[in-house]
Amino acid sequence: EAGVVQSPRYKIIEKKQPVAFWCNPISGHNTLYWYRQNLGQGPELLIRYENEEAVDDSQLPKDRFSAERLKGVDSTLKIQPAELGDSAVYLCASAGETQYFGPGTRLLVL
Amino acid sequence: AQSVTQPDIHITVSEGASLELRCNYSYGATPYLFWYVQSPGQGLQLLLKYFSGDTLVQGIKGFEAEFKRSQSSFNLRKPSVHWSDAAEYFCAVAYGQNFVFGPGTRLSVLP
Repeated sequence: EAGVVQSPRYKIIEKKQPVAFWCNPISGHNTLYWYRQNLGQGPELLIRYENEEAVDDSQLPKDRFSAERLKGVDSTLKIQPAELGDSAVYLCASAGETQYFGPGTRLLVL
Repeated sequence: AQSVTQPDIHITVSEGASLELRCNYSYGATPYLFWYVQSPGQGLQLLLKYFSGDTLVQGIKGFEAEFKRSQSSFNLRKPSVHWSDAAEYFCAVAYGQNFVFGPGTRLSVLP
């Protein structure tokens, strides 16, 4: 069974530029998460989807971050414009009974 | 609010020694508890989980964890550590489909 797929794995951009991350969850998993993980810390939830509906986006900085999950499968997380403090690893996870993580996208904003 | 604490930021053990990583949680109801491991540059891999039943749960790679309700703890153990176990370990508690992660414990293994 394929795991959670994320791309790109690494991204380096200059501040004020836009960036997008893509996630393909495990087949059949209705719940999808986006987390941000800063260096030396645990993952922090940005947004959770149940199918195509965002059911928890309270921690998503909505002035610059946006996400979508069209058709309740793949999801995209976007940052526009990026700031220096956005440098982190962005993790996607999907869940049935248990949550499984993708490898993450490591973002560096210069 | 739900929270997870991992009191040890960094632990160093010798290869072959036993290991215990501590995890305490704050949650009003019966928790679902998890341990994940993260190697450098990788995502989080599930080691084991506790939903209900036997309070001692077995996981992959020879790890086990014990749920103690009276102490609000879910400590991870391994009887003999291998050099490949060096990584970051995260404890997590789930309420519904929401997960809260601890800050992690970094494990170093001496040859």
